[in-house]
Amino acid sequence: SQELEQSPQSLIVQEGKNLTINCTSSKTLYGLYWYKQKYGEGLIFLMMLQKGGEEKSHEKITAKLDEKKQQSSLHITASQPSHAGIYLCGADWGGSNYKLTFGKGTLLTVNP
Amino acid sequence: EAEVAQSPRYKITEKSQAVAFWCDPISGHATLYWYRQILGQGPELLVQFQDESVVDDSQLPKDRFSAERLKGVDSTLKIQPAELGDSAMYLCASSPKVWGTGMNTEAFFGQGTRLTVV
Repeated sequence: SQELEQSPQSLIVQEGKNLTINCTSSKTLYGLYWYKQKYGEGLIFLMMLQKGGEEKSHEKITAKLDEKKQQSSLHITASQPSHAGIYLCGADWGGSNYKLTFGKGTLLTVNP
Repeated sequence: EAEVAQSPRYKITEKSQAVAFWCDPISGHATLYWYRQILGQGPELLVQFQDESVVDDSQLPKDRFSAERLKGVDSTLKIQPAELGDSAMYLCASSPKVWGTGMNTEAFFGQGTRLTVV
């Protein structure tokens, strides 16, 4: 959806390097969800952000939601080959029938 | 650990044939979603169930696609007739809570069914 843009589209990094993936919404977010997908498989939930300025971390992955709740970033510290995959952000824009609208994803390759 | 089960994992069918996918959500999950993911794209919602009722099927091509969740548990997505453009990954997801209650939670995804129409 053009209402939810991810950048970059793909990323190749050397093992041990830090990286950041961005997700920008054209509308105010009620919630922002980050998922990871291995090629040909289902989505694995990483983190959910709801409050402006919120930041969550899990192991070496940190996600932030900006104060205006229209942009989120996912930061990986000291990347490892196990971090490779497709990272997807999903937007909840509110409404009575909740649904997640996904970005196109960022393909991450980590070279050993 | 409870998982969303989908079958088959892979399906090859000829165009104009009928095809069906099955999904068994995590026990007790009221909300069930079917998404379609074309290669290189993000998942797109096709249909959303709350128990046995459809709450959103605005993106479902109703001339050829149908979905049901008769007892509010497992669900079937059918395509008849299949077209070449239907080749994609079909993902099922479930969530434990009723949306709109202000209690958000993540959706849990199955492994998907990879459909190839030839």
